[in-house]
Amino acid sequence: GAVVSQHPSWVICKSGTSVKIECRSLDFQATTMFWYRQFPKQSLMLMATSNEGSKATYEQGVEKDKFLINHASLTLSTLTVTSAHPEDSSFYICSASPGGGADGYTFGSGTRLTVV
Amino acid sequence: QKEVEQDPGPLSVPEGAIVSLNCTYSNSAFQYFMWYRQYSRKGPELLMYTYSSGNKEDGRFTAQVDKSSKYISLFIRDSQPSDSATYLCAMSLPGSARQLTFGSGTQLTVLP
Repeated sequence: GAVVSQHPSWVICKSGTSVKIECRSLDFQATTMFWYRQFPKQSLMLMATSNEGSKATYEQGVEKDKFLINHASLTLSTLTVTSAHPEDSSFYICSASPGGGADGYTFGSGTRLTVV
Repeated sequence: QKEVEQDPGPLSVPEGAIVSLNCTYSNSAFQYFMWYRQYSRKGPELLMYTYSSGNKEDGRFTAQVDKSSKYISLFIRDSQPSDSATYLCAMSLPGSARQLTFGSGTQLTVLP
């Protein structure tokens, strides 16, 4: 089945630094990938839609200059949290679909970011 | 009102019980319906996917969709302790690569 690999699985960084999270589709090409954020005991909230070769589409309230998304190839999208602050600490998850959503979406294993 | 409402739980059942998880939605344009299972500190895992009203069965899992009532359910038969997780319903509009709208999740514990 479709596999989405996300790296790193967890990261601790200091306030003010930047962190890059990678999302790869291992056995299929993904023109579109989605980035979600999840706080403890809450559901997934869509942050942005990553489109290969073009600018990402951000959801209302998500700072595009803080959460930089790059989708340079059909198998890789990256999310960079710039100038991280403790309130950015969260669980970040990406997803993609080999069939453009026709068979559901596969999620990465998630990245737990802790900003100290 | 949220677009997707899900019974929050938590839900605790004995091993072997039948579990019923439910979601309602307000947007009649939703066309694709999914159930995900999420273990703690892991990404969601797709359990069931359907796009038509009626029942879809896969092993111990049955997904039910009633578009006229805007109501979906997931039934788990012969529940096992390994089924203990958070279950999320999700749905999307028609079209290619559409974003998912999630329910808030139901935390299930199956007691041995």
